Formats: sequence, structure tokens, C-alpha cells
Amino acid sequence: QSALTQPPSASGSPGQSVTISCTGTSSDVGGYNSVSWYQQHPGDAPKLMIYDVSNRPSGVPDRFSASKSGNTASLTVSGLQAEDEADYYCSSYAASNNVVFGGGTKLTVL
Amino acid sequence: QVQLVESGGGVVQPGRSLRLSCAASGFTFSTYGMHWVRQAPGKGLEWVSLISHDGSNKYYADSVKGRFTISRDNSKNTLFVQMNSLRAEDTAVYYCARGKGQYYDFWSSSLWGQGTLLTVSS
Repeated sequence: QSALTQPPSASGSPGQSVTISCTGTSSDVGGYNSVSWYQQHPGDAPKLMIYDVSNRPSGVPDRFSASKSGNTASLTVSGLQAEDEADYYCSSYAASNNVVFGGGTKLTVL
Repeated sequence: QVQLVESGGGVVQPGRSLRLSCAASGFTFSTYGMHWVRQAPGKGLEWVSLISHDGSNKYYADSVKGRFTISRDNSKNTLFVQMNSLRAEDTAVYYCARGKGQYYDFWSSSLWGQGTLLTVSS
């Protein structure tokens, strides 16, 4: 149950796009289409932004998109806004009925 | 109002036990799988455990297997985790979270509580 690998930080200016990666193995990200992304503002609970690799729950802006290639999943935030500044975590189903999270990426809007 | 409210956190000595609760409201609790996820101070999210909607399936992270037990009371819309042999590294905010969809659509979580803080310290 090793954590998925995310860059510790990412940044972009308002209006720009930024992509956050999430690298796992064939036993988690690469082996299943159960990758999720969560947004967490300081002091708040996480919020589901993406499920099943690329699906957005209702209410999540379409500025948020995601994909997967091999063992790496990616979250792209387009048209960056100040309120997008937060921590982002990926997670995946992992073999033997586990869930594994990434270490988190702090997104800064410059 | 659809919500999850955790309770039971506090300060406990290493080696002792504690039970956390999560009260659900505003949705049909008995049709959703439920998770416990924790977050150590200043650290990332760590999945702890999952229980299916009817309690028949339970899964645990290796870090808590054999020490923590997840359970639920669907008649009282409440989720529990019994934590034994607590260690300093169990110190964290513990969140309960609902599976995204009903029944076995539970590998992501669309509803989270605000968390309860457990501190394990002598």
C-alpha cells in the first residue's frame, strides 16, 4: 500500500492552466479505472472533484478535467481562479480491496 | 440536510482504546458504503477502512489491520471505528466519508464529515 506519487507543489497565474500528475503502479492507477481527485482548502474536509478517472460530479466546474495514461493520472485545472488555490489529492482503488492516496499537491494561484 | 458528523475524538494515552462515531443524516445510510480516512497534522490523506452498505464486507489499511475495527448500525444511521492499541502515529483528524454511489459504488467518496481529532500522547 505505497502512496501514489504527486508533485508537492504546482502553480499558475489566473487564467492559465496547470496539470498535476499522480503516478502509481499497475496494481492501482494503471490497473483500474477508479482514480479520483479531491480538493481540500485549509481547515476544510476534502471535496470530490473527479471520479472514475475523468468524470465530474455535478456542481464541479468544467474547468476541472482529468485523464489517465498507463500508471499515471493527471488533473488539469484550466482558467485558474483564486478559489482554486488548495491542496489536491489523487486516490485509486488498489489490488486486494484497498484505497491509496497520493501525498498531495499544493496548488498556488500566483 | 445531507451530512456526516463525527464525534469521539480526544486525547488518549498510547496503548489505550477509543471508539469514534459518525452520525449520518439526510440520505439512506443503509444503501451506502462508508469509509474512515485520516489526516495527520500537516500531512496528507490516508485511507483507513471501508465497510459495505450492509456490513458484510470490511477492508483495512495495513497500518491499522488487527488494531482497528469498523462497524455500522444501520438502524441508528451511525458508523463506528473501534481503535485499540493506539500509537502516537495514529494521531490525526479522522474523517468519515460516504461512497459516491449506492451499494458497491464506493471506491470514491462524495460526502465527507468535518472530522474529529484524535491525539495519542502520554
